[in-house]
Amino acid sequence: DTAVSQTPKYLVTQMGNDKSIKCEQNLGHDTMYWYKQDSKKFLKIMFSYNNKELIINETVPNRFSPKSPDKAHLNLHINSLELGDSAVYFCASVRGREQFFGPGTRLTVL
Amino acid sequence: KNQVEQSPQSLIILEGKNCTLQCNYTVSPFSNLRWYKQDTGRGPVSLTIMTFSENTKSNGRYTATLDADTKQSSLHITASQLSDSASYICVVSAGGSYIPTFGRGTSLIVHP
Repeated sequence: DTAVSQTPKYLVTQMGNDKSIKCEQNLGHDTMYWYKQDSKKFLKIMFSYNNKELIINETVPNRFSPKSPDKAHLNLHINSLELGDSAVYFCASVRGREQFFGPGTRLTVL
Repeated sequence: KNQVEQSPQSLIILEGKNCTLQCNYTVSPFSNLRWYKQDTGRGPVSLTIMTFSENTKSNGRYTATLDADTKQSSLHITASQLSDSASYICVVSAGGSYIPTFGRGTSLIVHP
């Protein structure tokens, strides 16, 4: 049983397109995060949701819009994709001090 | 500004040898420090979590130390194995904040 799953694992798309990445956790946690990992492997927090409500938005362009239909899901929608959006995106589920990361989605914008 | 600095940036060792990775932080007020292992193509996996009062914590061949006075932590790997090849990331959280501060990681390669 995968605790935190993401789909798709790979996403290749053209500049200007709109795409979504899905994240689901079966751990029963209330808090979920989205991270972006750049080519230098640096992880940077993007958003955090607690019980379907946004609690952190780290100066991410408004082309990025997280959506949480329920506590188990936190999806990331990206409009008008740019070259600089190419990265690996990780979803994480959080309980207390412990974070459980998903396998990541590698986004390549051509 | 909260920062986490890790060294070395990369490290190559022979299988069976020990190694130590360093993490210096300026996060305040300190809440906890975590070490993660990230295999290529995978998400980070937690190795240890340490709070202010903990000096040492072990997880198998991994031993983390914390000196809250000097704001330094180390991760010691004993009798390295090929499967230890990965990126090791130090993450520090401040009290009252949802936003952890990540280091850039140390890339470890273990050669046979």
